[in-house]
Amino acid sequence: EPEVTQTPSHQVTQMGQEVILRCVPISNHLYFYWYRQILGQKVEFLVSFYNNEISEKSEIFDDQFSVERPDGSNFTLKIRSTKLEDSAMYFCASSDALAGADEQFFGPGTRLTVL
Amino acid sequence: AQKVTQAQTEISVVEKEDVTLDCVYETRDTTYYLFWYKQPPSGELVFLIRRNSFDEQNEISGRYSWNFQKSTSSFNFTITASQVVDSAVYFCALSGMNTGFQKLVFGTGTRLLVSP
Repeated sequence: EPEVTQTPSHQVTQMGQEVILRCVPISNHLYFYWYRQILGQKVEFLVSFYNNEISEKSEIFDDQFSVERPDGSNFTLKIRSTKLEDSAMYFCASSDALAGADEQFFGPGTRLTVL
Repeated sequence: AQKVTQAQTEISVVEKEDVTLDCVYETRDTTYYLFWYKQPPSGELVFLIRRNSFDEQNEISGRYSWNFQKSTSSFNFTITASQVVDSAVYFCALSGMNTGFQKLVFGTGTRLLVSP
């Protein structure tokens, strides 16, 4: 069964450094998403991406964040100048139909630890 | 604004007991979707069910059942004859037409502990 994959599973970085979290969505999917979950808290929407552009973003997704689909398979989340409060689990998701109206398939997540 | 409330932070049951997880939502959208996801200790999010706002028919899948009531804005989830493997955090979520269904709004989750 096709699945969303994410690398790395765990990323440790120093405060102020840039990180890139990588995701490979399911191959025929057209909509891509990033969510984050601070430890012990709820899952929060960050951004959705369709047709090579951001279609929706939350207030969390400020200038520190950017997303990109550099090729036909990868979908990345870049966090510039990381802060301690960026420590969280970051989930990538994809869907193949009208966003939200169809199931969003989630990847296993990348745990980001900012020291 | 959209909001999902899961008032039960944690529930502990003994194996074979039935348990119901509550979910109450708020939205101004007339068309929306409701979801349940399971997050086991390993951390991934596992899709359980999607229900659209026009379909109030309850659904049963094995030991799982869902009760959608628009009149009370609730979408409750019942596990019958719970098992230790059901131990996880369960999230209820909503997506609405107002945002083009572009995002899932999650509740804070209910941690279910099933002991042998």
